[in-house]
Amino acid sequence: DTAVSQTPKYLVTQMGNDKSIKCEQNLGHDTMYWYKQDSKKFLKIMFSYNNKELIINETVPNRFSPKSPDKAHLNLHINSLELGDSAVYFCASSHLAGTGQETQYFGPGTRLLVL
Amino acid sequence: QQQVKQSPQSLIVQKGGISIINCAYENTAFDYFPWYQQFPGKGPALLIAIRPDVSEKKEGRFTISFNKSAKQFSLHIMDSQPGDSATYFCAASGGTGGFKTIFGAGTRLFVKA
Repeated sequence: DTAVSQTPKYLVTQMGNDKSIKCEQNLGHDTMYWYKQDSKKFLKIMFSYNNKELIINETVPNRFSPKSPDKAHLNLHINSLELGDSAVYFCASSHLAGTGQETQYFGPGTRLLVL
Repeated sequence: QQQVKQSPQSLIVQKGGISIINCAYENTAFDYFPWYQQFPGKGPALLIAIRPDVSEKKEGRFTISFNKSAKQFSLHIMDSQPGDSATYFCAASGGTGGFKTIFGAGTRLFVKA
């Protein structure tokens, strides 16, 4: 009954590889996010989709490409992985986005280690 | 103007003590101020939230104090317990922020038994 799920939970890969992280929410929300959390715990927003439409695209290298096949799914594909991409990536979803009463529901995170 | 400044970075409190985490914002258009709690290995989860039309909100041992004129808000954890040890994020959203919630940098709280 997990509200926001992510796969995989752990991802260890070599520099230069391409990898994907998947996210699914069963809360019926219409907005989904990707965040990057570094070793100092700082949460940095990367992307947001509302009803499958990209609405937030922060200054993220274009090696990162989000895809939302439907409102319940938001995947993140990363090309040519670099050492600095090592972090925990969180997916989140919300309703009431943009209304000033938004609560975000976070997934368990994907721990990416690039060697 | 979109920043939310959070302090301290880390905090150690004795069991039974009061933990206080402070946040300040610039954008007066913000109108919703949630706090998130993150345990190690988990994603952040909403703990408590406040709107600027009230100066205080209490839920159990957790209280948000809000000072609209100073553009500051704080989280107080009364009778802190070792189980409260986590990272706490303040956040702000609403107004011209659109769909974006702005998070503070986080405070790592450790409650000593």
